[in-house]
Amino acid sequence: AQKITQTQPGMFVQEKEAVTLDCTYDTSDPSYGLFWYKQPSSGEMIFLIYQGSYDQQNATEGRYSLNFQKARKSANLVISASQLGDSAMYFCAMREGTNAGKSTFGDGTTLTVKP
Amino acid sequence: DAGITQSPRHKVTETGTPVTLRCHQTENHRYMYWYRQDPGHGLRLIHYSYGVKDTDKGEVSDGYSVSRSKTEDFLLTLESATSSQTSVYFCAISDFGTSGRVGGELFFGEGSRLTVL
Repeated sequence: AQKITQTQPGMFVQEKEAVTLDCTYDTSDPSYGLFWYKQPSSGEMIFLIYQGSYDQQNATEGRYSLNFQKARKSANLVISASQLGDSAMYFCAMREGTNAGKSTFGDGTTLTVKP
Repeated sequence: DAGITQSPRHKVTETGTPVTLRCHQTENHRYMYWYRQDPGHGLRLIHYSYGVKDTDKGEVSDGYSVSRSKTEDFLLTLESATSSQTSVYFCAISDFGTSGRVGGELFFGEGSRLTVL
């Protein structure tokens, strides 16, 4: 079974609007970390945001926030006030337990921001 | 930005030839990783290292070997390249578990595009 599921292969959003990218995860370990990465068309991988399983509050980094719903095992990325430069592939990832920081990635969601 | 460089950035080779990709970091991070990225598969872990000469397998390690003789360098070797190893290879580093850091976020190199004909 996939540990990280991103069900939206592609998403469109109008510039300046908010968008939510879905991510669900599967683990039996009580300690884990959830991450989002951005991959623009140029190909580099950029870390965006981190949420620990024991963190009480949702993580935020500028226009990015992580909507963490532990009981539902979901870790959706919310991008507020979308910009054209947000057009990219977005990957959700999970690190389970204290296992060497290894992350398992989802298949990604391609976000296109329309002007 | 994390100091990670990969070489070569692009390589075309023939089936059966050996290939070595190099990852060099200037951040002194303990952990180094090699991932491959293929369409429809996200990133999949090949091997990782948790210290000099300490390495372990990831989920797609068959056909690959690694070595880490210095903290800053992590080499990925394809002993006999096959067409199924055509991919984009990413090196990543992490300071997970050091200095109290528990996140484990990865910092990536620019990627190396390998084509095996």
